[in-house]
Amino acid sequence: EVQLVESGGGLVQPGRSLRLSCTGFGFTFDDYAFSWVRQAPGKGLQWVGFVKSKTYIRTTEYAASVRGRFTISRDDSRNIAYLDMNSLKIEDTAIYFCVRGEESYDYRWGTYRIWDSWGQGTLVTVSS
Amino acid sequence: SYELTQPPSVSVSPGQTASITCSGDKLGTKFASWYQQRPGQSPVLVISQDTKRPSGIPDRFSGSKSGNTATLTISGTQPMDEADYYCQAWDTSTVIFGGGTKLTVL
Repeated sequence: EVQLVESGGGLVQPGRSLRLSCTGFGFTFDDYAFSWVRQAPGKGLQWVGFVKSKTYIRTTEYAASVRGRFTISRDDSRNIAYLDMNSLKIEDTAIYFCVRGEESYDYRWGTYRIWDSWGQGTLVTVSS
Repeated sequence: SYELTQPPSVSVSPGQTASITCSGDKLGTKFASWYQQRPGQSPVLVISQDTKRPSGIPDRFSGSKSGNTATLTISGTQPMDEADYYCQAWDTSTVIFGGGTKLTVL
């Protein structure tokens, strides 16, 4: 059974840093991309960024709102993806979900990813 | 920036058909996915690549696309289908979500 388990959330002051982890179980971890998606209280889903699989050289992409403050990485030997968050702001308060992405190719539109499995999420609260 | 537009809410009677739309420029040139999120739970993929239903998703869920509008259709809607639904696509290398639609079954 595919399982993604996030950890590392908690209460942090504005301007401080936090690292989230996402551990994968039940599948070949390095075959997949991993995305972080957040959801502020009572709001919709907001993509944060993703790290591609080894096939795509594990490169990363980020939403404009977090680029330069957040870093996504992965350790395939331990089946873990990370989200390092720096210079946290109050508006970063949200549940952060880890999502597995199956990478595929379409002759019309190129490479795309199917975000097919979500973790249970971990809550990050930024407050003084 | 690229946006996907969904209606904020849709209501349907039990047993009837619910349709939720998702519109966006250039959506006709990329795949759309749909996610169901019940209260207090993580999202679940219900439709990928415009029309494909993952294993374990009931066949009352279906997806379609015409031009730049994707549609999620739930036939024979059940009370357990009451949830928020989000469409998703991509633009260059970024992932985009629609604002979400609250489906009420009453």
